This record gives sequence, C-alpha cells and structure tokens, in this order.
Amino acid sequence: NAGVMQNPRHLVRRRGQEARLRCSPMKGHSHVYWYRQLPEEGLKFMVYLQKENIIDESGMPKERFSAEFPKEGPSILRIQQVVRGDSAAYFCASSPPTGDTQYFGPGTRLTVL
Amino acid sequence: ELKVEQNPLFLSMQEGKNYTIYCNYSTTSDRLYWYRQDPGKSLESLFVLLSNGAVKQEGRLMASLDTKARLSTLHITAAVHDLSATYFCAVRSNFGNEKLTFGTGTRLTIIP
Repeated sequence: NAGVMQNPRHLVRRRGQEARLRCSPMKGHSHVYWYRQLPEEGLKFMVYLQKENIIDESGMPKERFSAEFPKEGPSILRIQQVVRGDSAAYFCASSPPTGDTQYFGPGTRLTVL
Repeated sequence: ELKVEQNPLFLSMQEGKNYTIYCNYSTTSDRLYWYRQDPGKSLESLFVLLSNGAVKQEGRLMASLDTKARLSTLHITAAVHDLSATYFCAVRSNFGNEKLTFGTGTRLTIIP
C-alpha cells in the first residue's frame, strides 16, 4: 500500500508566479489535510478536504491560496502570485473515513526567488 | 484557540541517559499524537493517545497522557544516536474538528 504521495518534491518559483502542489492520499483514505511548515517551526494547519468538499479552511490565507480535492485525481493546493514569505515546506496528510491517525506525505519544499 | 506548548525546545543528551519531553495543551482534547521528523523529511507517526491515563511504549520511547492536567509526556530510555530527530506533539481539539494543532517541536540530539 503506497503511502501519501506528493509532487513535486521541490519547486522553485519567481515572485508573481503560480505554484501548484499535488497530493495523492493513501488508498482508501478520503480525508486530506494540508499543513505548512516554516523553517525551524512546527506545522500549521491550512485546510481540510473531503472529496469535492472543503470542510475546514480556517488556516488558509484569505488571498492567493486555494485548495481542491476533485472526485477524480489528486488534491491540489494552489498559490497564486507567490511571494518570498510563501517559501516553506507544504505537507499533505490523509486519513480514512473513520478519522484517527493522519499519515503524512514527503512534503513539497517551495522556494520563492 | 487551542495552544500547544512543548518543552524543552532543544535537548542534547548523552547516549544511555533518560529524559522526558513535555507537551501541554490549552483546551479539551480527545486525542493526542506524537510524531518524529528527521531533517528534511516528513513526519512519522509514533503514538496516538486516546484517553486519560493512556500509556504506549515502542522500543525506547514511552508516551503517556493526563487529560485532566492537559499534559502528555514522551519519555526516552537509555537514548541511542538513532533517536536524534525533532519530536512533535499534536492535538485534535474535539471530535468533529479534524485539524491538528502542533507544538513547536523538540529538537533532540543524542551525543555518543
């Protein structure tokens, strides 16, 4: 059973460009979570999604950030017009419908030049 | 707002010694997690603690939960170099709100 998959693992963007981060949950998992980790800090919750629904987006910045988890395909975290402060590691986690432990992917490390 | 605090933030200890990492949280929680993170890597799930008095052990690590004190501990017994990593506790505030609130992490360095 493959774990949570994220791609790309590393992403470099210039200020003003768009970043798209992808997350494929573990097989059988229908809950997806996105977290952001700034250097030397803990993880901060961004958004919680189920298939075709955003359940909790209380941690998402109000502008430039959006997330989706379509019926088919991976979950996407999209950052428009990136700024240097967006540089961070973005982790996706998934869990089964019954909740319990969240399993984390390898992360995407975004660098904004 | 749920707050989670860990201490110490940094811990350097010799192999063979015992030590404890503390995790305090500010509001009622129905479950607490411990994760390990190696530099540049993802998070590895270590323990899930569900009820007051819960104790779980895996190798040289033992985690416990006191929901009345809103405190969890991660105890390291006879540390070995392989345990060097950053350890995070994370709290789920209440059933139905699935997001995790993480502590700041404890960077553990085991010195040979």
